Amino acid sequence: KQEVTQIPAALSVPEGENLVLNCSFTDSAIYNLQWFRQDPGKGLTSLLLIQSSQREQTSGRLNASLDKSSGRSTLYIAASQPGDSATYLCAVSGAGSYQLTFGKGTKLSVIP
Amino acid sequence: KAGVTQTPRYLIKTRGQQVTLSCSPISGHRSVSWYQQTPGQGLQFLFEYFSETQRNKGNFPGRFSGRQFSNSRSEMNVSTLELGDSALYLCASSPYPRAGELFFGEGSRLTVL
Repeated sequence: KQEVTQIPAALSVPEGENLVLNCSFTDSAIYNLQWFRQDPGKGLTSLLLIQSSQREQTSGRLNASLDKSSGRSTLYIAASQPGDSATYLCAVSGAGSYQLTFGKGTKLSVIP
Repeated sequence: KAGVTQTPRYLIKTRGQQVTLSCSPISGHRSVSWYQQTPGQGLQFLFEYFSETQRNKGNFPGRFSGRQFSNSRSEMNVSTLELGDSALYLCASSPYPRAGELFFGEGSRLTVL
């Protein structure tokens, strides 16, 4: 059974700092990995999707990497802003099923 | 292009009642999946529908059911509500299964008293 872990559970940084969020998964036979953002009381917003054959994806100040063999992904946020404050969720899609398995998320607070 | 629309956004029920939640996917998307989010368990997969057929089901009791209509709209039903069913229910759509990126709605927040 796939398990996804995100560390740390919460992170507080001053505005302007670069930061890394971590995601690990137990079964390396994944189809893809997706990073989401969730604001309080809201749905999920897709940030980046990495297919299993890819090593990284970039969108603006965000860069996500994938190392399937070690079961790890990182989300790098450059020059953090207060508007980046949210919970960031990592989810993997298994090679044999359609469903996403989510981590519990990292709650990020960017202090002005 | 309109996003995924879920109704109702908020609802309060009492134990033993049943509830039906609705999800309209992005236009052209034919795959709809449902997830339950609670503070303790996080996000858990409920089921996925494509072409009016349930393709996959998560580990939830039979009180949780769903269906998809010919226009790709989907509903999920929870019967005999329990306090533990209080959660945010999220719907996601994609053009087809395994399309890659999933697009989520704002969710339906269910409170069971």
